[in-house]
Amino acid sequence: AQSVAQPEDQVNVAEGNPLTVKCTYSVSGNPYLFWYVQYPNRGLQFLLKYITGDNLVKGSYGFEAEFNKSQTSFHLKKPSALVSDSALYFCAVTDGGFKTIFGAGTRLFVKA
Amino acid sequence: ETGVTQSPTHLIKTRGQQVTLRCSSQSGHNTVSWYQQALGQGPQFIFQYYREEENGRGNFPPRFSGLQFPNYSSELNVNALELDDSALYLCASSGTGGVGEKLFFGSGTQLSVL
Repeated sequence: AQSVAQPEDQVNVAEGNPLTVKCTYSVSGNPYLFWYVQYPNRGLQFLLKYITGDNLVKGSYGFEAEFNKSQTSFHLKKPSALVSDSALYFCAVTDGGFKTIFGAGTRLFVKA
Repeated sequence: ETGVTQSPTHLIKTRGQQVTLRCSSQSGHNTVSWYQQALGQGPQFIFQYYREEENGRGNFPPRFSGLQFPNYSSELNVNALELDDSALYLCASSGTGGVGEKLFFGSGTQLSVL
């Protein structure tokens, strides 16, 4: 069975500092990994995905994520946080089937 | 390019009633997935429709049912509403439901069951 864990309910970071939002996954086959962001009262927006190839994936708004197969992790990173990055972030995984499984989400708070 | 649209945006029902939520998929997409997002939780997969057929289902009871129409729009029907059905219901479309496709989400329908 597929599963996703986001161990932090909230991440606090000062504007201009680097940020990391953690994600670990479990899947029986090859993992297809995603990050989505959700703003208040809105649906989820795609940030980036890992399918195969380079372990460092670059996405929207300056975000990137690093796939680590041995640690089954896919952490989201950004070199310099902005106040406007404050939102709810979801990691998701699929094994290539019809179902995409989402983590519980991590709230990112960037302080000015 | 038209995005994913959902209606209504908000809905209040009482326990035992039935509800129908609607979703128009993004132009060119033939796959629609429905998710339930309870407060403070991640989206939970309900089911997926591909070319008018249910393509897969999550751990939801049969009183959650759906349809997909020839234009690839979709409905989610919930019968015998329970208090725990209160949640944000999200519709997501993708091109073919294929491997590694990203999902395009609507803004959701907030359902409150009293």
